[in-house]
Amino acid sequence: AQSVTQLDSHVSVSEGTPVLLRCNYSSSYSPSLFWYVQHPNKGLQLLLKYTSAATLVKGINGFEAEFKKSETSFHLTKPSAHMSDAAEYFCVVIFGLNNNAGNMLTFGGGTRLMVKP
Amino acid sequence: DTGVSQNPRHKITKRGQNVTFRCDPISEHNRLYWYRQTLGQGPEFLTYFQNEAQLEKSRLLSDRFSAERPKGSFSTLEIQRTEQGDSAMYLCASSLGVQRQETQYFGPGTRLLVL
Repeated sequence: AQSVTQLDSHVSVSEGTPVLLRCNYSSSYSPSLFWYVQHPNKGLQLLLKYTSAATLVKGINGFEAEFKKSETSFHLTKPSAHMSDAAEYFCVVIFGLNNNAGNMLTFGGGTRLMVKP
Repeated sequence: DTGVSQNPRHKITKRGQNVTFRCDPISEHNRLYWYRQTLGQGPEFLTYFQNEAQLEKSRLLSDRFSAERPKGSFSTLEIQRTEQGDSAMYLCASSLGVQRQETQYFGPGTRLLVL
């Protein structure tokens, strides 16, 4: 079965410390992978996406993610958290082979990141 | 380019009433998606359009739900005979192309509360 799992529903870090948000997927084929962020009362915003050009993907606001096929993981990291990073983060997957398919996004359950001063 | 807009932003209705939401995608985006997000969960796919054609519908989209995209521009999502379980955030997204890596741009959502 195809699925995407975010292993932590809540993560709390202190400002200036590293951030790690974990995501694992289950798929018979190489999926397309994304991370989106949702700030309160704002729309979902794309942080980064894996396009198979490089396994380490750099996104906006200093975030990056590494695609590890052997571990079926796509964890999101940031070296130093900022107060403005507090938000809900979603690992998102497009399953399937066909580039002409619907490209429906399958979202993980989300991880709420809290940043303490 | 003003981004994806959705109206209304909030809707409170009584059980059994009909409601309609509107989504205006980024201009020239040929794909338009509807998702539903319940409290504490990630969004779930409902349906999508390529231009004016509705090409896929999720099993979540019961026969009380209908979506249209006349002329391939804005889209409407109507829920008939609303139920309390319909309370959720309804999100619209649009994308320019059909490649899997095409970014989907989301609107701010319409929050529905059914009393």
